[in-house]
Amino acid sequence: EPEVTQTPSHQVTQMGQEVILRCVPISNHLYFYWYRQILGQKVEFLVSFYNNEISEKSEIFDDQFSVERPDGSNFTLKIRSTKLEDSAMYFCASSEAGGYTDTQYFGPGTRLTVL
Amino acid sequence: AQTVTQSQPEMSVQEAETVTLSCTYDTSESDYYLFWYKQPPSRQMILVIRQEAYKQQNATENRFSVNFQKAAKSFSLKISDSQLGDAAMYFCAYRSSSGNTPLVFGKGTRLSVIA
Repeated sequence: EPEVTQTPSHQVTQMGQEVILRCVPISNHLYFYWYRQILGQKVEFLVSFYNNEISEKSEIFDDQFSVERPDGSNFTLKIRSTKLEDSAMYFCASSEAGGYTDTQYFGPGTRLTVL
Repeated sequence: AQTVTQSQPEMSVQEAETVTLSCTYDTSESDYYLFWYKQPPSRQMILVIRQEAYKQQNATENRFSVNFQKAAKSFSLKISDSQLGDAAMYFCAYRSSSGNTPLVFGKGTRLSVIA
C-alpha cells in the first residue's frame, strides 16, 4: 500500500541553524500538508500546498518557514533560523484531491530537537 | 473557527472489553468530515475511521465504530473487543467543507489496554 515517507526520522540542530525536513507524498496525490505536534500537545496545522503554491497557512507559519516541491516527488519544509520552541514532531500529509471528503494520509513524522 | 474537544485525557480498558472515547466539536457549517486518528508510541498518525456529516448512518470499520450525533455535535469512537495493540493516543479531527481546509485536531485521549 502506498505511503507517505519522511526523512530524517530525527533531526538535532543548534538554535539559529537552518533545517530542511523532507517528505515524499503518495505518488498520485496533489495536495500536501505540514502539521506539527509539540510534545504532549495536539497536532497543529502549518501549511497546505497545491500546484506549486501555498494554498493556506496558519499563524504559526511565519517568515522563518518555507515550503517547496523541488522535483516531482519531494515536498520540503525549511526552517531558516530554528528556535527552541520549534522542537516538535513534524508530520507531512498528502491527499489525492483537496476536497473535504479526501482523506489526508500522514507520514511517520520527523522529530526535530533544537538545542 | 472550528474547535474540537476531547474531554477524556486518559482512558483504560480491559482486553476484550469495549471502550468509548468522546469527542465534541463546534461548527456553524452543515457539511464537514470527521475523523479518528490513532497515534501509537511510534507517533505515526494512522487513520482509524471517518464520517461524512451528511450521512446519517454511523461509520464502521471492523472493531471500530462511531456514534455520530449531528445535532449534539458529538462524534464518539467505540472500540469493541479491545486488543493490546489498540493502546495509543486517539485524536478526533474535523475538516470543513470549505475549499482545501486543514484538519483541526482535538487534544487527544490516551488509551491504555490492560491484559
